[in-house]
Amino acid sequence: NAGVTQTPKFQVLKTGQSMTLQCAQDMNHEYMSWYRQDPGMGLRLIHYSVGAGITDQGEVPNGYNVSRSTTEDFPLRLLSAAPSQTSVYFCASSPGTSNEQYFGPGTRLTVT
Amino acid sequence: GQNIDQPTEMTATEGAIVQINCTYQTSGFNGLFWYQQHAGEAPTFLSYNVLDGLEEKGRFSSFLSRSKGYSYLLLKELQMKDSASYLCVQWGRGGGNKLTFGTGTQLKVEL
Repeated sequence: NAGVTQTPKFQVLKTGQSMTLQCAQDMNHEYMSWYRQDPGMGLRLIHYSVGAGITDQGEVPNGYNVSRSTTEDFPLRLLSAAPSQTSVYFCASSPGTSNEQYFGPGTRLTVT
Repeated sequence: GQNIDQPTEMTATEGAIVQINCTYQTSGFNGLFWYQQHAGEAPTFLSYNVLDGLEEKGRFSSFLSRSKGYSYLLLKELQMKDSASYLCVQWGRGGGNKLTFGTGTQLKVEL
């Protein structure tokens, strides 16, 4: 199993550009989520999904969209990048919320 | 982050024992996780407590007191590779079905 994979590993965007961060898992997990990690802030939940076709907002959803058309994939879309979105983004999956979360390697995004 | 309190930094000596404390809001609680995160890497799961008491797993143990909103992670026989950030994570805060992460305790293990 590859586990949780994320692409790209690094990305630089200009303000106003849009892009999609990819996340995939091959463990047949129902629960997937996106976090951002900023210095001194801890990981903050952006969006999550409890199964294909179901998504919900986390703590900091503004400026981000998600979709979950398959169990395996959970892409995160930045609609119009802003410098405040400079962060490290982690995707995670688990069988359910009460289970161990498996994290992807992260995407380091810089918005100039 | 968000009313999960843990020390920012700790330093300990190789071979010693260290205890990392965490307090959280008791309103809405389903479970308490601990994760380890090395610099530049993703968090990895260490432990999960849902009932009061001590859970032991090798060199690492985790304790929970639900009435006090308190947990600790105990690391024994410290090794240099234990230098990392340790994240306290609450499931179900406020009655929701989400995870709330603390900002982490940066542990430095010295010779």
